[in-house]
Amino acid sequence: ETGVTQTPRHLVMGMTNKKSLKCEQHLGHNAMYWYKQSAKKPLELMFVYSLEERVENNSVPSRFSPECPNSSHLFLHLHTLQPEDSALYLCASSQDPQANYGYTFGSGTRLTVV
Amino acid sequence: DQQVKQNSPSLSVQEGRISILNCDYTNSMFDYFLWYKKYPAEGPTFLISISSIKDKNEDGRFTVFLNKSAKHLSLHIVPSQPGDSAVYFCAASPFNSGGSNYKLTFGKGTLLTVNP
Repeated sequence: ETGVTQTPRHLVMGMTNKKSLKCEQHLGHNAMYWYKQSAKKPLELMFVYSLEERVENNSVPSRFSPECPNSSHLFLHLHTLQPEDSALYLCASSQDPQANYGYTFGSGTRLTVV
Repeated sequence: DQQVKQNSPSLSVQEGRISILNCDYTNSMFDYFLWYKKYPAEGPTFLISISSIKDKNEDGRFTVFLNKSAKHLSLHIVPSQPGDSAVYFCAASPFNSGGSNYKLTFGKGTLLTVNP
């Protein structure tokens, strides 16, 4: 347990489904991130929230919609995904927007779109 | 264009020997470098980091070397243990440069296998 909890651990969804990924941290961090890890690719930054404000959206398709209701929780709402969106989705948090002390990652949600 | 490159997808070493994992970067704005370790079914965990003002940082069996002129860093693990078998990610960040200084750019990772 790293202090960042992601649920569910595994998710299989159809292309017409709507689902949400949840991330929770109780480390007192004030920045949270969504990363996507696809096979044989680097970790790709999707969204950054600092003090509950979205500060970065890395050209992510609108079928991915993040939500940060408070500094401890981060959601990724999924709608009409494509099979190529199947990947490991990792949430991370850090003490402040500067990542110099490293991120704390959750265990990830393994998403399969069928 | 990959700004952080880990050109070896995998590495296999014998227990007790040295493991050397390499990483190259292209962005001269990168000033801070980190290594993460990832076991299957778990998220990456922070291992060791180095700032550009140093050329070496050591923590137990793990040492990171930075060669700024070559834009190259390496992670040495000695002696290697079977429990070190994992995927190792190199990451880089600008330091205190404002704007997107929080953004870590990752390499693809290297799978290290330490054989007993």
